[in-house]
Amino acid sequence: QLQLQESGPGLVKPSETLSLSCTVSGGSISSSSNYWGWIRQPPGKGLESIGSMYYSGSTYYNPSLKSRVTISVDTSKNQFSLKLSSVTAADTAVYYCARHEGSSGGMVQYWGQGTLVTVSS
Amino acid sequence: DIQMTQSPSTLSASVGDRVTITCRASQSISSWLAWYQQKPGKAPKLLMYKASSLESGVPSRFSGSGSGTEFTLTISSLQPDDFATFYCQQYHSYSPTFGQGTKVEIK
Repeated sequence: QLQLQESGPGLVKPSETLSLSCTVSGGSISSSSNYWGWIRQPPGKGLESIGSMYYSGSTYYNPSLKSRVTISVDTSKNQFSLKLSSVTAADTAVYYCARHEGSSGGMVQYWGQGTLVTVSS
Repeated sequence: DIQMTQSPSTLSASVGDRVTITCRASQSISSWLAWYQQKPGKAPKLLMYKASSLESGVPSRFSGSGSGTEFTLTISSLQPDDFATFYCQQYHSYSPTFGQGTKVEIK
């Protein structure tokens, strides 16, 4: 059974860079046809895709976040990561790592449990 | 981006009720639509994909229909475990977008 687990700081200061990692177990991050991505959910609000990446390097970023986002994959560690720069309070959210089926926009069958990141000084 | 609009935003219902949630896309997405259920403090759970295909392990009281721009999720007989928030997601484009959610509350 595939499992995803987020890790990283739960508190980030305004203007700094949010960094999260997602460790994949029970399967290979290099498996074909899947994109590895990040989805966030501000407290009490809906879901927003941040972006995703294929293990070989192809990426998709939400246009509204594109200038601040970097997603990378480390196949040797079976991990992928998110960096979001110049954060503000509006970036406070639960961040989920996810496997998109078949494309960067694919449905998500596997989700991490989510990690709350608060942006505050 | 393709915009997804769900209705209603909140729905009050009783155990045993038949419940229908609607999701509309701003342009045709064929049948590339998924439905998720989310309970407080938990990650969303995939219920339906390709508009009408039931994910493995999901009870048969859930069903989905539609194509193009209009879709529905139906719960034939609402159970206590079904009170949650439901989201649709289009995966027609490389840029996935979600509806704003429908919260199903106890009446």
